Amino acid sequence: EVQLVQSGAEVKKPGESLKISCKGSGYSFTNYWIGWVRQMPGKGLEWMGIIFPADSQTRYSPSFQGQVTISADKSISTAYLQWSSLKASDSAMYYCARKTGPNWFDPWGQGTLVTVSS
Amino acid sequence: QSVLTQPPSVSGAPGQRVTISCTGSSSNIGTGYDVHWYQQLPGTAPKLLIYGNTNRPSGVPDRFSGSKSGTSASLAITGLQAEDEADYYCQSYDNSLSGWVFGGGTKLTVL
Repeated sequence: EVQLVQSGAEVKKPGESLKISCKGSGYSFTNYWIGWVRQMPGKGLEWMGIIFPADSQTRYSPSFQGQVTISADKSISTAYLQWSSLKASDSAMYYCARKTGPNWFDPWGQGTLVTVSS
Repeated sequence: QSVLTQPPSVSGAPGQRVTISCTGSSSNIGTGYDVHWYQQLPGTAPKLLIYGNTNRPSGVPDRFSGSKSGTSASLAITGLQAEDEADYYCQSYDNSLSGWVFGGGTKLTVL
């Protein structure tokens, strides 16, 4: 079964750093792009960026460029999303998803809830 | 403001048919990029519902169907069931943004 399993919920203070993870299994991790999607409380889905684990080629949405860093460790089939200095406005649910086919995403991870509060 | 425009909400009684529209522009749907649909049940991650405008992944009931024309697409749900109550999102690719874009989402209420 193709599966993406994300790391657990995080509670952080403004200014702290954070790295969340997304581990793929059941398929060749290096052959598919992995995307990250933000969902703020009560809001819709926003594409943040995407990485190709085979060579770590990365693309970012203009809205998130410079705000987050996407990386991957193909040796352990894991993609990451990280912040160097969190803000309260980063509080959201974050999903990873595999790009399957030209432009759709399937499956999705279960989500990682990030709460940033002083 | 989402790049793809969806109605915030739709509703229907059990057994009825509802449609959800997704309007884009010449830089995404209108230029030929496919539209995909996701269902997000309360408290869960999005799930692929329709890919490539009209295709259903294995396990998705044929009550769900998609179509695309010009700069718009639609999701139709027939024989509404209580379990269909969820948020639905369309998604495509935008070449002016060089990235993937979502609609704002539509909340389906089964009356």
